[in-house]
Amino acid sequence: GENVEQHPSTLSVQEGDSAVIKCTYSDSASNYFPWYKQELGKRPQLIIDIRSNVGEKKDQRIAVTLNKTAKHFSLHITETQPEDSAVYFCAASQMDYKLSFGAGTTVTVRA
Amino acid sequence: SAVISQKPSRDICQRGTSLTIQCQVDSQVTMMFWYRQQPGQSLTLIATANQGSEATYESGFVIDKFPISRPNLTFSTLTVSNMSPEDSSIYLCSVVRQGGNEQFFGPGTRLTVL
Repeated sequence: GENVEQHPSTLSVQEGDSAVIKCTYSDSASNYFPWYKQELGKRPQLIIDIRSNVGEKKDQRIAVTLNKTAKHFSLHITETQPEDSAVYFCAASQMDYKLSFGAGTTVTVRA
Repeated sequence: SAVISQKPSRDICQRGTSLTIQCQVDSQVTMMFWYRQQPGQSLTLIATANQGSEATYESGFVIDKFPISRPNLTFSTLTVSNMSPEDSSIYLCSVVRQGGNEQFFGPGTRLTVL
């Protein structure tokens, strides 16, 4: 099955700086890559996604890039704010919509 | 996004008993899934809830332990059977709406087994 690796496991950044989280996947058939943000005690919330026919997607301060050849994708958060503090999960799926998740990255934004 | 509710939101159960978790969506969806999130861990797919037929289970999960029903396009149940403390987790349902890839999660059910 699909194996998704995520790095780093923890990330501490100064408010206003950028944060980057990287994921790799193993199955070249994967074609959909969402990112979820999970605050403590809350459900995972979809924040951005990218499909395999696109190399980059941006939504305000959040962007995702995909390198199909290398089988890796990354989340970029610019101008970080304290409310960006959360656990972020990358995931990958194929046409069956089954999500394989990375282990998660705990992001802490220092004020 | 879809409005997804789960019942119960949390429960504390004795080992050897069973608990049924309900997932209700406010509109018809094509896909429904059940995931488990153990304390401090990532999410793991348990099974795909198929409307009107048996669920499709992932490796490591079996129907006898996690029977699933999906009688229609907006409702599904997951039963955790013969529970042990190792079953203590958050159980989440998720849905994919028609015409989209986006998968949205329910609020989860926090289960503690004593």
